[in-house]
Amino acid sequence: GNSVTQMEGPVTLSEEAFLTINCTYTATGYPSLFWYVQYPGEGLQLLLKATKADDKGSNKGFEATYRKETTSFHLEKGSVQVSDSAVYFCALLTGGGNKLTFGTGTQLKVEL
Amino acid sequence: DTGVSQDPRHKITKRGQNVTFRCDPISEHNRLYWYRQTLGQGPEFLTYFQNEAQLEKSRLLSDRFSAERPKGSFSTLEIQRTEQGDSAMYLCASSLSGTRAEQFFGPGTRLTVL
Repeated sequence: GNSVTQMEGPVTLSEEAFLTINCTYTATGYPSLFWYVQYPGEGLQLLLKATKADDKGSNKGFEATYRKETTSFHLEKGSVQVSDSAVYFCALLTGGGNKLTFGTGTQLKVEL
Repeated sequence: DTGVSQDPRHKITKRGQNVTFRCDPISEHNRLYWYRQTLGQGPEFLTYFQNEAQLEKSRLLSDRFSAERPKGSFSTLEIQRTEQGDSAMYLCASSLSGTRAEQFFGPGTRLTVL
């Protein structure tokens, strides 16, 4: 079956530090890959996505590249801000797009 | 349209009681999904509708759970005879139909069963 594995948190960084959150997946077929973000007290928001191998999704300074050879979709940002503090979820979608499979989430805390 | 809305945002109930949650999707979206998220975990798929038809149910959806979307617009999720293990955040999402259409999530309903 499909599964997503994320690095465990919490990840604590100083403002302006470089961020990497690792995500690997197992899936049948060729999934679409997503990063969702959940700010405190809010619902899930789509951060970025990639639908095929070697695609790079980007948004708000965050980037992730769909690596089929390593079945990975690592999230990166060059300089984090306090406002980036949230929980980040990696997810995949296969086939008819009926259901997302999520990782367990990685909490990011950015301090001044 | 301001997005997917869910009501109530919080629900506290005693074990054995029935609860019902409502989800209003984005108006032009014909697909509607329910997910459950427990503390420290990612959301898990429960069920989804295409218009008013319930097309898939997860094995997580026991007989005590029932979901409806009577006119292909809003949806309700009912849990009968609640148990403490039902305590979770219940998330609703909607999307257009079509392969791998983006799902837009509501704020969720947090259920606490005492």
